[in-house]
Amino acid sequence: DAGVIQSPRHEVTEMGQEVTLRCKPISGHDYLFWYRQTMMRGLELLIYFNNNVPIDDSGMPEDRFSAKMPNASFSTLKIQPSEPRDSAVYFCASSLETGASPLHFGNGTRLTVT
Amino acid sequence: LAKTTQPISMDSYEGQEVNITCSHNNIATNDYITWYQQFPSQGPRFIIQGYKTKVTNEVASLFIPADRKSSTLSLPRVSLSDTAVYYCLVAAYTGFQKLVFGTGTRLLVSP
Repeated sequence: DAGVIQSPRHEVTEMGQEVTLRCKPISGHDYLFWYRQTMMRGLELLIYFNNNVPIDDSGMPEDRFSAKMPNASFSTLKIQPSEPRDSAVYFCASSLETGASPLHFGNGTRLTVT
Repeated sequence: LAKTTQPISMDSYEGQEVNITCSHNNIATNDYITWYQQFPSQGPRFIIQGYKTKVTNEVASLFIPADRKSSTLSLPRVSLSDTAVYYCLVAAYTGFQKLVFGTGTRLLVSP
């Protein structure tokens, strides 16, 4: 099993540009999570899906952020337009079941918005 | 979801045993306690999970008292490579769960 795969590993963009982060969860996992990590705010849950359906997006900071899961093997997190304060490491994680089922994280995408 | 409280940081030396305690006073009957480890530039990694008493695997032990209002992650004979941030998370296997990580404990192991 290749684990959760995220791309790109690093993204540098200018303010105002659209950014798309990608995630491939572990096959068979029904839950997918997007987290953001910064020094100031730690690990923040942005949104999570169950069977490709968004369950809770209350952590999405603004309307500039959107996430989709068109099928069981792919999800995107899009920021449009990007701002410098969006600079962070974005992690995708998947799990087999709800709640206590161990989360499997990808290696993250480090986003820098200048 | 039960809120968790951990020490912000801990220091240790190679070869020592490290115990990191997490408080979760509002833990529910169906909740399990899970610990994760995060190295720089990597996502958190599952270490161990338990419900009550003691759980041990090849990496760590987890001690949970009878009231389950706290738990202690024990790392035997730490090495420099155990320097990381450790998070505890409390959640059930039922229902939709909003998995919120706390601040974690930053463990620094020195030679």
